Amino acid sequence: AQSVSQHNHHVILSEAASLELGCNYSYGGTVNLFWYVQYPGQHLQLLLKYFSGDPLVKGIKGFEAEFIKSKFSFNLRKPSVQWSDTAEYFCAVTPYTGFQKLVFGTGTRLLVSP
Amino acid sequence: SQTIHQWPATLVQPVGSPLSLECTVEGTSNPNLYWYRQAAGRGLQLLFYSVGIGQISSEVPQNLSASRPQDRQFILSSKKLLLSDSGFYLCAWSGYATPRDTNEKLFFGSGTQLSVL
Repeated sequence: AQSVSQHNHHVILSEAASLELGCNYSYGGTVNLFWYVQYPGQHLQLLLKYFSGDPLVKGIKGFEAEFIKSKFSFNLRKPSVQWSDTAEYFCAVTPYTGFQKLVFGTGTRLLVSP
Repeated sequence: SQTIHQWPATLVQPVGSPLSLECTVEGTSNPNLYWYRQAAGRGLQLLFYSVGIGQISSEVPQNLSASRPQDRQFILSSKKLLLSDSGFYLCAWSGYATPRDTNEKLFFGSGTQLSVL
């Protein structure tokens, strides 16, 4: 069965620091990859998605992620974080066969101090 | 625009009591609907999904059941809650069953924090 690993459970950064959240998955076939974010008191929402094509995906609010197929990784990056980026971030993977096979990681709580 | 409503936001129930969580979607027709649970320290786990009225698929054996009595209504139930049913429950919908293009994604509700005591 496929699985998703997020290595950092809690990350604390100062504003303007660079961010990289790790995500690795186990699945041998074609996949779609997602990063979801949940800001305090808000719904879980899509940050960015890899469907096909360019492995460097740009999302909302200056976030990007790079799909490295050989490493089964989809790490999330942002060059300079802001206090408003404080949230919980979830990586998720599904084979092309459908959303019912979507598997989430355990999430990373990011705290950005002003 | 499409919206998803989920209630209640928080719920405290005694062991052995019944459960009913409701989710409704507005602004779309024939959505694919999903129930997820996040237990403490674990990722989101898919419990049920539905591609149409009366069509329910279960991903994991458990103490819960789901029903879809109307096109845009998805209900999560239990006859007798267990302590292990505590967790954060999320309802979600998608327009298609597969992530067929870059715009396809899951839309999530605000969740229900269930504590079984």
